Amino acid sequence: DVQMTQSPSSLSASLGDRVAITCRASEPILHLNWYQQKPGKAPRLLIYAASNLQDGVPSRFSGSVSGTDFTLTISGLQPEDFATYYCQQSYSTPYTFGQGTKLEIQ
Amino acid sequence: QVQLVQSGAEVKKPGASVKVSCKASGYTFTTYDIIWVRQVKGQGLQYVGWMSPNSGDRAYAQNFQGRVTMTRDTSENTAYMELSGLRSEDAAVYYCARGDLRFGALDVWGQGTTVTVSS
Repeated sequence: DVQMTQSPSSLSASLGDRVAITCRASEPILHLNWYQQKPGKAPRLLIYAASNLQDGVPSRFSGSVSGTDFTLTISGLQPEDFATYYCQQSYSTPYTFGQGTKLEIQ
Repeated sequence: QVQLVQSGAEVKKPGASVKVSCKASGYTFTTYDIIWVRQVKGQGLQYVGWMSPNSGDRAYAQNFQGRVTMTRDTSENTAYMELSGLRSEDAAVYYCARGDLRFGALDVWGQGTTVTVSS
């Protein structure tokens, strides 16, 4: 199985900050997706295939890849961005998730 | 609009089985995969398995092999996940999600079904 190592596990930031969350795959993969989850809610797809913005997602969210390292960047944090973020590889089953990053307001 | 609506919360005794439904609307049911994910309270997302509503093909995560069964009823646009031999550690919120065939991204999610396991 492909293992996804996500870091950091938690992150404190202020409104307007730029933050980055990283996922490293245990082997080369082609498809990596990013989700946002708020308490008591289902996850929401933000980025698919590493760098493609899902319809309706603000452009302050972006994704990039370098080798087996994938990064989600949020530029200009807004109050509604404080949530937990997960990466997920959809290259091979089982479609494993990262451990999650809780983004908290500083 | 495109949505997945799941069945309501369940309370089961250890050793029992639970069957969760996921009804699709607003799109052609057979043109996307259905993936099941669970989340234990306070923990992360865990992949349970995948099913193609078109072919009926399915694959389960190793952790659930032998205990989980995924089925579908294309006449009702509904997918099902049944988990047997329930243990206390199976208490979680179970989500179904629509999987894009090209990239596997989960672009539409059900609201989640809470399964409680208690004697």
